[in-house]
Amino acid sequence: SQQGEEDPQALSIQEGENATMNCSYKTSINNLQWYRQNSGRGLVHLILIRSNEREKHSGRLRVTLDTSKKSSSLLITASRAADTASYFCATPDSGAGSYQLTFGKGTKLSVIP
Amino acid sequence: DADVTQTPRNRITKTGKRIMLECSQTKGHDRMYWYRQDPGLGLRLIYYSFDVKDINKGEISDGYSVSRQAQAKFSLSLESAIPNQTALYFCATSDPRGSTDTQYFGPGTRLTVL
Repeated sequence: SQQGEEDPQALSIQEGENATMNCSYKTSINNLQWYRQNSGRGLVHLILIRSNEREKHSGRLRVTLDTSKKSSSLLITASRAADTASYFCATPDSGAGSYQLTFGKGTKLSVIP
Repeated sequence: DADVTQTPRNRITKTGKRIMLECSQTKGHDRMYWYRQDPGLGLRLIYYSFDVKDINKGEISDGYSVSRQAQAKFSLSLESAIPNQTALYFCATSDPRGSTDTQYFGPGTRLTVL
């Protein structure tokens, strides 16, 4: 099965700055998803980008997808202390009929007030 | 959002004990999943179920069993708990009628095996 790998593992920024985290994956996908996890809580779906899309926006979130490089990035603009969380990318496991997701190990974002 | 609930939220048990973690959902989704999360290892899939009669092993099913009692309920059992099963456990659901694989997670169960 393939796996998304996030980079960096940890990121610390000042409130108001932008945060960028990256995800690389191994094989062809039909979509890539980003999730957020507040400390000790369940994951929450943030945004999905399909393989035929290059960029997608949702509020302060901007996701890009480069299928030729098998990579995606998540940009959070004008960060807030409440954005402090871990962020995971997830890709469908094509070997299982795209009904399973494989999650990366996450980027831990700390936004300092 | 209480669409996916898990009980208990925290559990401390001893080596060798049998324990059950329960998951219920009101989203009407057919697909349900159990994951465990360990620091630095991300989420790993234990079992998944596409409907009441369909149960499948995930990446790390050894030492675990599941029961899908109804569309809305999916339980995870540790037959004989061991310390390396100490982890955060999550239940999730997804809707096969959707065109994506978006999953919806419960709040998690923190399990400690002494």
